[in-house]
Amino acid sequence: EAQVTQNPRYLITVTGKKLTVTCSQNMNHEYMSWYRQDPGLGLRQIYYSMNVEVTDKGDVPEGYKVSRKEKRNFPLILESPSPNQTSLYFCASSFKGAKAVRDTQYFGPGTRLTVL
Amino acid sequence: GIQVEQSPPDLILQEGANSTLRCNFSDSVNNLQWFHQNPWGQLINLFYIPSGTKQNGRLSATTVATERYSLLYISSSQTTDSGVYFCAVVRDSGYALNFGKGTSLLVTP
Repeated sequence: EAQVTQNPRYLITVTGKKLTVTCSQNMNHEYMSWYRQDPGLGLRQIYYSMNVEVTDKGDVPEGYKVSRKEKRNFPLILESPSPNQTSLYFCASSFKGAKAVRDTQYFGPGTRLTVL
Repeated sequence: GIQVEQSPPDLILQEGANSTLRCNFSDSVNNLQWFHQNPWGQLINLFYIPSGTKQNGRLSATTVATERYSLLYISSSQTTDSGVYFCAVVRDSGYALNFGKGTSLLVTP
């Protein structure tokens, strides 16, 4: 089944404890990205990747890191989480590299993160 | 950045009713998608529709790119249609999907 998976789905952690949210897609998509969703602010892009080893900042990259060592995986790293990073996170992917934004983007199931 | 406005913000329907959701955007776009966020928070793709009309069962969508709006039609609504409907666009010069604030739909039995 074609899908975008994220793990964990739910996570409660404490300030400063490094964490990684994994994202994987099995559709051979070149483009992957991360979004966060917050009440009143909607969904905003954190980082995106046009292909392996190619990443760039979205609208709200502060406090996050990403890497794209393999085409299928795009982990989101919070080196020192803070309470303002409590949010619902989505990973997304789409097919074409340079023209990916002109193609359907598929979203993972979301990760609910709470930072105490 | 590009502005994406959705209306109405909230909608309550009785099961079986029809509805039209609207999305206006402020700039030229090369991607427009409609999503349904269900009560469990999952974002479900409904349509990829940068222009033209598409139908999928009880749902259909129309985008008039030259006039910068898109419409989502829900016919014979069911309680499972409840949730938030988002319109999202990518402007010609950008890469990110820019989401509207959504229309929150409640379908009552």
